[in-house]
Amino acid sequence: QSVLTQPPSASGTPGQRVTISCSGSSSNIGSNTVNWYQQLPGTAPKLLIYSNNQRPSGVPDRFSGSKSGTSASLAISGLQSEDEADYYCAAWDDRLHGPVFGGGTKLTVL
Amino acid sequence: QVQLQESGPGLVKPSETLSLTCAVSGYSITSGYFGGWIRQPPGKGLEWIGIIYHSGSTYYNPSLKSRVTMSVDTSKNQFSLNLTSVAAADTAVYYCASRPLLPASMGWFDPWGQGTLVTVSS
Repeated sequence: QSVLTQPPSASGTPGQRVTISCSGSSSNIGSNTVNWYQQLPGTAPKLLIYSNNQRPSGVPDRFSGSKSGTSASLAISGLQSEDEADYYCAAWDDRLHGPVFGGGTKLTVL
Repeated sequence: QVQLQESGPGLVKPSETLSLTCAVSGYSITSGYFGGWIRQPPGKGLEWIGIIYHSGSTYYNPSLKSRVTMSVDTSKNQFSLNLTSVAAADTAVYYCASRPLLPASMGWFDPWGQGTLVTVSS
């Protein structure tokens, strides 16, 4: 079981807005920033959002992140077929003294 | 920009030691560096293994701590992972990745290497 909890799957049609949740505790999301990674099929994960809501250069503004208390969310607006991927949240855990990941959410574009 | 490349045996026998190296290019780690190892069993999610500073300071996943050693070789601009007493459950794609020079709790993994599949089997 992963320290951070994500829904195993999500789906949407092209153009829709979808959100992926990430639930943690006071020792991780509650006291540290959240990062999101996108893993396209057969490739290495790529940083998508860092420090809760910051996009690295090159990431479209269709992707946005937010955090409230011990939970975080990734929102994807204007869904495109190329967004079909696995998405992972991550945050530092003060009890484990390291970064912990969510179990991942498989996003399907219908 | 910084690029990372993992290397090492693709097959390791049970009870032996898994050894991987991550070559860093596009940046001299003597200037200050923070990197880590993450693994992903086939069809499963990501698991953090450990993080190391260029100085040699480390953070290890408590569940693997007794079997993990990470080190830095500044002369070769690379860092390494050793995982002892491996079993089938250690079969995974192993990734190395960089972290920004921030307090550990504030960082993230970027960029990532392409990953290398290590199978534990006799």
